[in-house]
Amino acid sequence: NAGVTQTPKFQVLKTGQSMTLQCAQDMNHEYMSWYRQDPGMGLRLIHYSVGAGITDQGEVPNGYNVSRSTTEDFPLRLLSAAPSQTSVYFCASRGRGGNTEAFFGQGTRLTVV
Amino acid sequence: LAKTTQPISMDSYEGQEVNITCSHNNIATNDYITWYQQFPSQGPRFIIQGYKTKVTNEVASLFIPADRKSSTLSLPRVSLSDTAVYYCLVGTGGFKTIFGAGTRLFVKA
Repeated sequence: NAGVTQTPKFQVLKTGQSMTLQCAQDMNHEYMSWYRQDPGMGLRLIHYSVGAGITDQGEVPNGYNVSRSTTEDFPLRLLSAAPSQTSVYFCASRGRGGNTEAFFGQGTRLTVV
Repeated sequence: LAKTTQPISMDSYEGQEVNITCSHNNIATNDYITWYQQFPSQGPRFIIQGYKTKVTNEVASLFIPADRKSSTLSLPRVSLSDTAVYYCLVGTGGFKTIFGAGTRLFVKA
């Protein structure tokens, strides 16, 4: 049981480049989210999805796009990378309901130079 | 979404019991209280969840008073490996789960 899988684990981008961070879950969870975590800080919600075809913005959505064409996949796209987007990115999924726990991927460490 | 307040950091020694209290004065009737643990370079991991009174599992206990305006995560006999950041979350388990800054627990030998 793989849980939540994120790829790549590490990435270096040049300012202005675009890229897609991949996230896949095999637990048939409806809810999926993307967070970023800067050094010494808590997690901040970027975008989330409540099911295939439905996405919405979190706390810090600017500079990022998401799509949810299937239940399993929730990619995060950086449109034009900036040094301020240097961070660790976590993807999470959870089932529907008030007493469900969230499962997190191992993270993608992104550096923008 | 209910706002939570928890200490920024705590220190402890191996073998001691650690209690981390989280305040959530505007908790709603349907909200659950959930705690996560995060080690460096890893994603958060679920520890325990409760709605009222006391919940215990193999890792921790969660104490929730009758008014539910606060909760206390109790870690019995901590070890060095319990050094981590602990997050208190309050909500209905919905899609828009917001994490605060958490409590950095440092366990010393």
